[in-house]
Amino acid sequence: EDKVVQSPLSLVVHEGDTVTLNCSYEVTNFRSLLWYKQEKKAPTFLFMLTSSGIEKKSGRLSSILDKKELSSILNITATQTGDSAIYLCAVPETSGSRLTFGEGTQLTVNP
Amino acid sequence: NAGVMQNPRHLVRRRGQEARLRCSPMKGHSHVYWYRQLPEEGLKFMVYLQKENIIDESGMPKERFSAEFPKEGPSILRIQQVVRGDSAAYFCASSPPGPTYYNEQFFGPGTRLTVL
Repeated sequence: EDKVVQSPLSLVVHEGDTVTLNCSYEVTNFRSLLWYKQEKKAPTFLFMLTSSGIEKKSGRLSSILDKKELSSILNITATQTGDSAIYLCAVPETSGSRLTFGEGTQLTVNP
Repeated sequence: NAGVMQNPRHLVRRRGQEARLRCSPMKGHSHVYWYRQLPEEGLKFMVYLQKENIIDESGMPKERFSAEFPKEGPSILRIQQVVRGDSAAYFCASSPPGPTYYNEQFFGPGTRLTVL
């Protein structure tokens, strides 16, 4: 069974800090890894990383895939209170029909 | 292009009643997924459907739960004889045609089911 583990489970920082969120995975046949941001509603897609695209960047957010270590990190620089959310990491299972999610990292950014 | 739509957003049922949750995928999307998020837990896959076909229902409880995605109209997740343990947020996601492992899934706002 595919497995996704995220750390830390929660993180409290001050505005302006840089944070690194971790995701490790065990899948039978790796295809891609996805990051989502969940506030009080639907998870919002952030990035997809694949073997051919191991680094993605969008504004203050960036993500790197380490296939050797079976892990990924999500970096947020110059954090803002609006970054407060649960960040979810997910991998599609072999046939691609389902996403297996980690438990998420609850990020709180204080002013 | 409207996103994934779900209704109702909030649903309250008494034990033993039926709950029907609706999901309209994004325009052009042919794959629909249902996930459940219990309080203080992560998202758990329930079922994956394409038009008129259930592709994978391995995450769905064998009893009381059913799902459909008819040729016309939204996908429906149906829970019969609800119990308090069914209280959760139910999210629907959709993705475009093609290999699903290279397509991101877009999520709807969810239906928060409360069973009294």
